[in-house]
Amino acid sequence: EAGVAQSPRYKIIEKRQSVAFWCNPISGHATLYWYQQILGQGPKLLIQFQNNGVVDDSQLPKDRFSAERLKGVDSTLKIQPAKLEDSAVYLCASSLASGILETQYFGPGTRLLVL
Amino acid sequence: GENVEQHPSTLSVQEGDSAVIKCTYSDSASNYFPWYKQELGKRPQLIIDIRSNVGEKKDQRIAVTLNKTAKHFSLHITETQPEDSAVYFCAASGGSNYKLTFGKGTLLTVNP
Repeated sequence: EAGVAQSPRYKIIEKRQSVAFWCNPISGHATLYWYQQILGQGPKLLIQFQNNGVVDDSQLPKDRFSAERLKGVDSTLKIQPAKLEDSAVYLCASSLASGILETQYFGPGTRLLVL
Repeated sequence: GENVEQHPSTLSVQEGDSAVIKCTYSDSASNYFPWYKQELGKRPQLIIDIRSNVGEKKDQRIAVTLNKTAKHFSLHITETQPEDSAVYFCAASGGSNYKLTFGKGTLLTVNP
């Protein structure tokens, strides 16, 4: 089966600019996650969707980050305006549902560098 | 919220030796503990997981043990090979939305 797709793979922007990332989960997966992985650390959950509804966005910096999953399939994550500390890999993951028995499958990530 | 500590941060072994990575967690409600392997520049991939109703699980050269009383779990890799070199992350999940909280990772280097 096809895996989680993400684009772009790399992005370089200047601080205060905006940027958007796109994710296409595995077909049929109801739950979609966005993680931020700073160099040398483990992934940190930013937001979790169940279909097109938000399950958890407690760690999303809502003053600058936003995410949507309008039709319950693809998702976009936006940063506006970007700060230097936003430099990280942004990983999208999906799972069949949001239960504890469901494995999360990760995409290749988007590597963001903010200058 | 959940807090996951992972040790060591780096581990270097000779090919054929065993490697052990340990994690502790803080939330006693956590009941799912996956381990992910991440090679340089690639996506994290699940290598093994364990649920709270079992104490040990094996898959070929990889095993995971769980001690719920002490709130710690460990990854054991036997007969290590150079292709095992990667960063390994432990994670814990529980609560109403089953959010995964990751450790900071262990860089494993297997020397030929």
